[in-house]
Amino acid sequence: GAVVSQHPSWVICKSGTSVKIECRSLDFQATTMFWYRQFPKQSLMLMATSNEGSKATYEQGVEKDKFLINHASLTLSTLTVTSAHPEDSSFYICSASWALAAEQFFGPGTRLTVL
Amino acid sequence: GENVEQHPSTLSVQEGDSAVIKCTYSDSASNYFPWYKQELGKRPQLIIDIRSNVGEKKDQRIAVTLNKTAKHFSLHITETQPEDSAVYFCAASSGNTPLVFGKGTRLSVIA
Repeated sequence: GAVVSQHPSWVICKSGTSVKIECRSLDFQATTMFWYRQFPKQSLMLMATSNEGSKATYEQGVEKDKFLINHASLTLSTLTVTSAHPEDSSFYICSASWALAAEQFFGPGTRLTVL
Repeated sequence: GENVEQHPSTLSVQEGDSAVIKCTYSDSASNYFPWYKQELGKRPQLIIDIRSNVGEKKDQRIAVTLNKTAKHFSLHITETQPEDSAVYFCAASSGNTPLVFGKGTRLSVIA
């Protein structure tokens, strides 16, 4: 299957700082990338869908000004958690696909801890 | 929008027995139904998927069945092995919307 990388794999930051997470599709052009949040022992909660070159579509309840998503190319999408607070601590995982309803290839995830 | 319910939330089986996980969906327009396996600390990976023009699909010990009339689909794992222990997620999509995932089933295969 296709390979998706995510960087960093973990990050610890102070409250109030911003953190950027990168998601890259290494061997295919991903027209669509997805950002999920996963709490321990829980399901994947879709935060937003991003398409290359256009604004991301955020799910209800997700603050677009807090979770900035940029899908600048067909192989790279970034998620920036702005002014992070302890409640933002979570496992963030991206996925990439060539279509909305095609197979999604997941990145390894980023564990964010906000002190 | 689409709503996917998954049962059971946890499942324990003896090694060699079969495991069945069931999902129901609400949007009759949904036509793509993948199943993902997530091992502890790892990323979800697609194990099998089915589209609405097919009623059943099999890949070695894994099979998926789809009943469009009843709007439910199931994952069947036969001859379970300890390495099958993981969290399994079902999902559904109509093609115009992102995948909607179920809450997951934690499968434990007891040796």
